[in-house]
Amino acid sequence: AQSVAQPEDQVNVAEGNPLTVKCTYSVSGNPYLFWYVQYPNRGLQFLLKYITGDNLVKGSYGFEAEFNKSQTSFHLKKPSALVSDSALYFCAVAYGQNFVFGPGTRLSVLP
Amino acid sequence: SQTIHQWPATLVQPVGSPLSLECTVEGTSNPNLYWYRQAAGRGLQLLFYSVGIGQISSEVPQNLSASRPQDRQFILSSKKLLLSDSGFYLCAVLAKNIQYFGAGTRLSVL
Repeated sequence: AQSVAQPEDQVNVAEGNPLTVKCTYSVSGNPYLFWYVQYPNRGLQFLLKYITGDNLVKGSYGFEAEFNKSQTSFHLKKPSALVSDSALYFCAVAYGQNFVFGPGTRLSVLP
Repeated sequence: SQTIHQWPATLVQPVGSPLSLECTVEGTSNPNLYWYRQAAGRGLQLLFYSVGIGQISSEVPQNLSASRPQDRQFILSSKKLLLSDSGFYLCAVLAKNIQYFGAGTRLSVL
């Protein structure tokens, strides 16, 4: 069965420092992987996806993610965090026409 | 590009009352549509999905039902709400292998 794990409930980082939000997955076949961000009382916003090709994927707002097949990971990264990046982040994997979402990681960027 | 409309944005309902949440989509035809529930600002639970008019798949047996009377309309309903139905309800559409979400409805059952 498909599954997604986000091992950290909460990630704290100082403004200007690099950030990483971790995601590991378990799927049969080639994975379609996604990152979403959610601000309070809002829907999820798509950030980026990996389907095939280059293992480093660039997305919105300066975020990028690295696909690592051997470690079955798809960690979200940003070189320099902003206070406005503070939000809830979800990793997801697609199977067929449905998605499985991780439990979410709350990112707090401290000024 | 597609646009997803959800209403109302917030709703407070007494236990035992009926529910109807509506989701409409613009900018795409014959889309796959989804209803999710999010409790306590964390994980998403897939409730229903639909690949076409009148075609509904239920992922979790519960007090809710869904209908798709038109190609771009997806409705979530309940005949009698329970306290446990409280949560944040999100509608999503699949477009070019990506799920896009509406702004959500915050439901409080009292």
